Amino acid sequence: QKEVEQNSGPLSVPEGAIASLNCTYSDRGSQSFFWYRQYSGKSPELIMSIYSNGDKEDGRFTAQLNKASQYVSLLIRDSQPSDSATYLCAVNIGYSTLTFGKGTMLLVSP
Amino acid sequence: KAGVTQTPRYLIKTRGQQVTLSCSPISGHRSVSWYQQTPGQGLQFLFEYFSETQRNKGNFPGRFSGRQFSNSRSEMNVSTLELGDSALYLCASSFGQGGIIEKLFFGSGTQLSVL
Repeated sequence: QKEVEQNSGPLSVPEGAIASLNCTYSDRGSQSFFWYRQYSGKSPELIMSIYSNGDKEDGRFTAQLNKASQYVSLLIRDSQPSDSATYLCAVNIGYSTLTFGKGTMLLVSP
Repeated sequence: KAGVTQTPRYLIKTRGQQVTLSCSPISGHRSVSWYQQTPGQGLQFLFEYFSETQRNKGNFPGRFSGRQFSNSRSEMNVSTLELGDSALYLCASSFGQGGIIEKLFFGSGTQLSVL
């Protein structure tokens, strides 16, 4: 069974700090990886996608992928209280189907 | 451009009843996927439809079924509801062409409560 593992948290960081969220996956053949943000009571919102080894930056967000280690991470620079949410790591397992980790709750304190 | 639309937003049913949820994808998207989200299990894949055909199915009992219409709109049905079916049901749409750049966009979900 293809699995995605995340630390459930909560991960607490002060405002302005870097938040680092991590994810491992079991299927070595996986090729595309996504980070979704989910606020309480809301639906998941796609914030980053990454397909190649290395880093991909978009504003304050950086996704990092290491296929050899089967590891994906999300860095949030200059964290804001509005970043407080659950972050879901997802892996494409074929066609238009994703398998998700259970998410890491991030709390950013003012 | 309108996003993924799910109706109804909330539903309350009793055990043994059946329920139908609806999803309209983003214009131009031909793939619709359904997910169940619970606090304990997280997001779990139910099934995915493309051009009216089910392409992929998760590990849910046969009480869970779906279909897709020619305009790409999709419905999912749950028969003989159980208490454990209480969850947020999320629909996601994408172009459905496959490939590694496929991105899924979620609707607001239907919160189902089974009493």
